[in-house]
Amino acid sequence: EIVMTQSPATLSVSPGERATLSCRASQSVSSNLAWYQQKPGQAPRLLIYGASIRATGIPARFSGSGSGTEFTLTISILQSEDFAVYYCQQYNNWPPLTFGGGTKVEIK
Amino acid sequence: EVQLVESGGGLVQPGRSLRLSCTASGFTFGDYAMSWFRQAPGKGLEWVGFIRSKAYGGTTEYAASVKGRFTISRDDSKSIAYLQMNSLKTEDTAVYYCTRDPGDLGYFDYWGQGTLVTVSS
Repeated sequence: EIVMTQSPATLSVSPGERATLSCRASQSVSSNLAWYQQKPGQAPRLLIYGASIRATGIPARFSGSGSGTEFTLTISILQSEDFAVYYCQQYNNWPPLTFGGGTKVEIK
Repeated sequence: EVQLVESGGGLVQPGRSLRLSCTASGFTFGDYAMSWFRQAPGKGLEWVGFIRSKAYGGTTEYAASVKGRFTISRDDSKSIAYLQMNSLKTEDTAVYYCTRDPGDLGYFDYWGQGTLVTVSS
């Protein structure tokens, strides 16, 4: 089973600043990596797939990068609606599909 | 507009069964793989299981934690996916989400709003 590790667990950022979230896989997942955003009381929303491809309707301030075992989600200019929990998920070698533990982006 | 609506959640005693339904609309249901996920209170996301489209054999995959107890099926004529949960345990308590895979790929572009399953005596 591929273990996904996200860091940091919590990221405190001011609106208008950049946020950089990390995700590491225990073995290579190539570019088969997705990012989801989840706000309290809501279902997750797909942000990025293929490590760097924005899903339909996702603003350009969200960008993904990386391949192999190291991945990054960057939110270039944080808006108030971006404060949420973010999860990475690998789909290179499954079952099982596996998620990181999440990074909570909170208002500084 | 793509919509996924889960139903069937509720309070159930340990050892009992429950069946969740996911009613889809806004797309040709039979063309897509579907998956179920869950999220225990205050915890992260956990994959439960997956069913491929008929074009890919309609086969299923399950997480080790539910294999042998949970069964996913689909009725393409009704655009519904099911999650049959047997021998429920307290650790199965979670919000259960139904999701769509855009191409039998393993990531998920639409999620339902979730339904809460509470396993407790």
